[in-house]
Amino acid sequence: AQSVTQPDIHITVSEGASLELRCNYSYGATPYLFWYVQSPGQGLQLLLKYFSGDTLVQGIKGFEAEFKRSQSSFNLRKPSVHWSDAAEYFCAVGAGQAGTALIFGKGTTLSVSS
Amino acid sequence: DTAVSQTPKYLVTQMGNDKSIKCEQNLGHDTMYWYKQDSKKFLKIMFSYNNKELIINETVPNRFSPKSPDKAHLNLHINSLELGDSAVYFCASSQSLGDQPQHFGDGTRLSIL
Repeated sequence: AQSVTQPDIHITVSEGASLELRCNYSYGATPYLFWYVQSPGQGLQLLLKYFSGDTLVQGIKGFEAEFKRSQSSFNLRKPSVHWSDAAEYFCAVGAGQAGTALIFGKGTTLSVSS
Repeated sequence: DTAVSQTPKYLVTQMGNDKSIKCEQNLGHDTMYWYKQDSKKFLKIMFSYNNKELIINETVPNRFSPKSPDKAHLNLHINSLELGDSAVYFCASSQSLGDQPQHFGDGTRLSIL
């Protein structure tokens, strides 16, 4: 069965420090992979996506993620975190097949300290 | 212009009541979804519709009934509300069936007293 694991429930990073949020997935074929961000009281905003091709994908707000098939991972990174990045981050997998919706991880809460 | 809009944003009601949440998308997408986010922020698919036709119906109590009057709208009606229904409900849409990414609304926070 498809699944997504985000091992870190809560991460605190100092402003200006680098960030890496981990995501591992379980899926039989080549997955469609996503990172979404949810600010308090808001909906989900797509940060970036991987469908195929270059395994390092760039997203909005200075985020990037790297797809590693051998590790079944799709970790999110940012070189320098800003206080406004504090939010909930969700990794998701979509099979891209008819009728399949997104399978989400349980999310990682990012806090940014000054 | 809001791409995916849900109303109401907040809904507070008592156990046993019936309520509806409306969703509209102006993206011209064919497929729409309802997700439930529980108190631990876990998101799970409930339903998906493609061209007004039900495609996905996860293990959801039959008190929940989606209705799609046209491609741009997918409403969620809930009968006999229970305490466990308290959650944030998100509507989403995608260009076509199986297409990604999905665009999400801002959510409807349902609180059952």
